[in-house]
Amino acid sequence: AQSVTQLDSQVPVFEEAPVELRCNYSSSVSVYLFWYVQYPNQGLQLLLKYLSGSTLVKGINGFEAEFNKSQTSFHLRKPSVHISDTAEYFCAVSRMNRDDKIIFGKGTRLHILP
Amino acid sequence: EPEVTQTPSHQVTQMGQEVILRCVPISNHLYFYWYRQILGQKVEFLVSFYNNEISEKSEIFDDQFSVERPDGSNFTLKIRSTKLEDSAMYFCASRPGTGNTGELFFGEGSRLTVL
Repeated sequence: AQSVTQLDSQVPVFEEAPVELRCNYSSSVSVYLFWYVQYPNQGLQLLLKYLSGSTLVKGINGFEAEFNKSQTSFHLRKPSVHISDTAEYFCAVSRMNRDDKIIFGKGTRLHILP
Repeated sequence: EPEVTQTPSHQVTQMGQEVILRCVPISNHLYFYWYRQILGQKVEFLVSFYNNEISEKSEIFDDQFSVERPDGSNFTLKIRSTKLEDSAMYFCASRPGTGNTGELFFGEGSRLTVL
């Protein structure tokens, strides 16, 4: 079975500062990896995804993530955050090449300080 | 851009009542899902549906839950006798049948409040 660990439940960061949201996964098979964002009172929106190939993937709103197979990590980064990035961020995993459900981590709340 | 739509956006019901949450997946998608998010907690998988039958369900999806695709467009989640702990945001999601890139497309959610 697959699982996702997001160790940080909340991350406060000053506006225009860089941020990294950590994600580690566990799986006995190859996986796809995702970051979804949930803005206050809204649904889930895909930020970016890793399927294969280059380990550095770029997403919307200036976010990027790096897949590290040896560390089973998929950390999300942004070089300079904006107040509009205030949201809950979910790391997620699904089995590769399977029409499969996505399993989510517990989420990290990004709190932007003025 | 095509999107998954869900109704109602918010429903308040009394404990023990039946609730039906409705979803219209993206039109050419073949796989459908329901997820649940209790306030402040993680997004949990409930059930997946393909070819007019359940393909997988979680332990949360007990006998009080059922899903149906009554026509070519709607996908519904029924909770037969609601409990207080069913209060949550329910998300519908879909994905295409071919060119699978793993991504699920989510609706905006239906908030269920059980009193």
